[in-house]
Amino acid sequence: LAKTTQPISMDSYEGQEVNITCSHNNIATNDYITWYQQFPSQGPRFIIQGYKTKVTNEVASLFIPADRKSSTLSLPRVSLSDTAVYYCLPYTGNQFYFGTGTSLTVIP
Amino acid sequence: ETGVTQTPRHLVMGMTNKKSLKCEQHLGHNAMYWYKQSAKKPLELMFVYSLEERVENNSVPSRFSPECPNSSHLFLHLHTLQPEDSALYLCASSQFVAGTYEQYFGPGTRLTVT
Repeated sequence: LAKTTQPISMDSYEGQEVNITCSHNNIATNDYITWYQQFPSQGPRFIIQGYKTKVTNEVASLFIPADRKSSTLSLPRVSLSDTAVYYCLPYTGNQFYFGTGTSLTVIP
Repeated sequence: ETGVTQTPRHLVMGMTNKKSLKCEQHLGHNAMYWYKQSAKKPLELMFVYSLEERVENNSVPSRFSPECPNSSHLFLHLHTLQPEDSALYLCASSQFVAGTYEQYFGPGTRLTVT
């Protein structure tokens, strides 16, 4: 299983773009990279997934370099409601293992 | 969102009690999961069921016993729990389709063992 490393916490002002980087040095060839968001006392919610290069959806963008040893979640123009914990998970088959995640606090 | 429901939402039980947590998914998925989340700790994967067969059991104590009678329902039977078992228990489901790795989580059951 690929071990992940993310910053423990980040602060950002409203309206700014936030980039959260996750390193996964021993990611397997078949692993996809998924990101989840979790609010207190709720289950995580899927945000985005990717294998390589760039993926964009209505919520976020995911940048994955060619070596795939890291990935960066980009949240455009964050609002107070984006305050949450963000997890990156390399994923193969049925192996979902969440790390400590990054606690993002959006400041007014 | 009502894709994955869990009951009860809150449960207080003594160490000698027996209780069950229930999870139901309405998404037509073929895999279901139990996670445990203790205060200020990462989610811990406990059990995985794929096509109603248990495919993952992460060294969980035997006082936790899962049951998956069909692809839509998942139970976690609890007996003789310890105070350190107090946590948020989350159920999730997913569909194994090539290129799709999205899990849908329920709201969780907040368990307190006294």
